Amino acid sequence: AQKITQTQPGMFVQEKEAVTLDCTYDTSDQSYGLFWYKQPSSGEMIFLIYQGSYDEQNATEGRYSLNFQKARKSANLVISASQLGDSAMYFCAMRRTSGTYKYIFGTGTRLKVLA
Amino acid sequence: DSGVTQTPKHLITATGQRVTLRCSPRSGDLSVYWYQQSLDQGLQFLIQYYNGEERAKGNILERFSAQQFPDLHSELNLSSLELGDSALYFCASSVVGATEAFFGQGTRLTVV
Repeated sequence: AQKITQTQPGMFVQEKEAVTLDCTYDTSDQSYGLFWYKQPSSGEMIFLIYQGSYDEQNATEGRYSLNFQKARKSANLVISASQLGDSAMYFCAMRRTSGTYKYIFGTGTRLKVLA
Repeated sequence: DSGVTQTPKHLITATGQRVTLRCSPRSGDLSVYWYQQSLDQGLQFLIQYYNGEERAKGNILERFSAQQFPDLHSELNLSSLELGDSALYFCASSVVGATEAFFGQGTRLTVV
């Protein structure tokens, strides 16, 4: 069975600093995808970044980067130069790339950016 | 705007009632997923449809059912509602084999 673990219920970061949100996963699949989503207080789920299990380079999207360590089964999100608008819940998710394609989500980390 | 449309955005109903939540996926997306997010919790997978057929089932209660129509829109039916069914219900869609799923803005259901 697949499982996503986010051990940080809440995090604080000073504006303009970088922050790392932790995510570990468990799967017996060889081919899978890892995702991060942001959920602001308004409620919508916003896709941030994707990493495929066979991608050799860490994914980057603007100020977001995914620190993928396959042997450790971790997929941490790094947000550089934090902004006040980054304050939100962040969810790590996984999806198989064969068979059923359902996305499994972690419990989330609430990030608060301080001015 | 993700391109996924959910209606209604808010719904308040009484215990024991039945409601229908509607989702229109992004143009071209054949897969639709339904998720439930209770207060301060992660997203619980309910069910997935692909091109009209049920593809995967999660922790969906027997009181809940869903379907995907030929035009690919999907409906989630919740019946005999209980207070504990109050939650944010998300629909997401994706292209099979693609990467991310795109989420609608959710329907916030309040059962009183």
